[in-house]
Amino acid sequence: EAQVTQNPRYLITVTGKKLTVTCSQNMNHEYMSWYRQDPGLGLRQIYYSMNVEVTDKGDVPEGYKVSRKEKRNFPLILESPSPNQTSLYFCASRYWSSYNSPLHFGNGTRLTVT
Amino acid sequence: RKEVEQDPGPFNVPEGATVAFNCTYSNSASQSFFWYRQDCRKEPKLLMSVYSSGNEDGRFTAQLNRASQYISLLIRDSKLSDSATYLCVVAERRGGSQGNLIFGKGTKLSVKP
Repeated sequence: EAQVTQNPRYLITVTGKKLTVTCSQNMNHEYMSWYRQDPGLGLRQIYYSMNVEVTDKGDVPEGYKVSRKEKRNFPLILESPSPNQTSLYFCASRYWSSYNSPLHFGNGTRLTVT
Repeated sequence: RKEVEQDPGPFNVPEGATVAFNCTYSNSASQSFFWYRQDCRKEPKLLMSVYSSGNEDGRFTAQLNRASQYISLLIRDSKLSDSATYLCVVAERRGGSQGNLIFGKGTKLSVKP
């Protein structure tokens, strides 16, 4: 089944403890992206990648890192999480070669930083 | 400058009503357009792509107006299950290739019995 898989679904952690949220897609998509969603603010893009070893900052990259060593994986790394990074996070992917290719989303990761 | 703008709503409509949402975009070179639906705290899901000539899928009709740089979504005969947030998504074009995907903040629809 074609899908975008994020793990974990729920995570509670403490300030400063490094964490990684994984994202994997099995559709051979070139483009992958991370978003965070907070009440009243809509989806805000953190980082995106147009292909392997190519990453770009989105609207809110501060406090986050990403890597794209393989096409299928795009992990989101929080080196030193802070409470203001408590949010709902979504990973998404799509084909880059087709203009009308839609974005496929993972189920989301609900992160709480205390 | 906001690149993709939507009326946040909420739109509160009775069952059976027709409701329309608009979305404006600032980049005239934008190439692709989509409407997504998001239920509370769930992932957004593709509702429909928006084609230049307009397109329809059952009760849903999407239109693109390149001259005025907006897209619209019309929902006819609203159902309770249509209650959700509707997100407008625009794919930029940079030079000869695709750019990033830009999301609007969404329009909340609440259909009441």
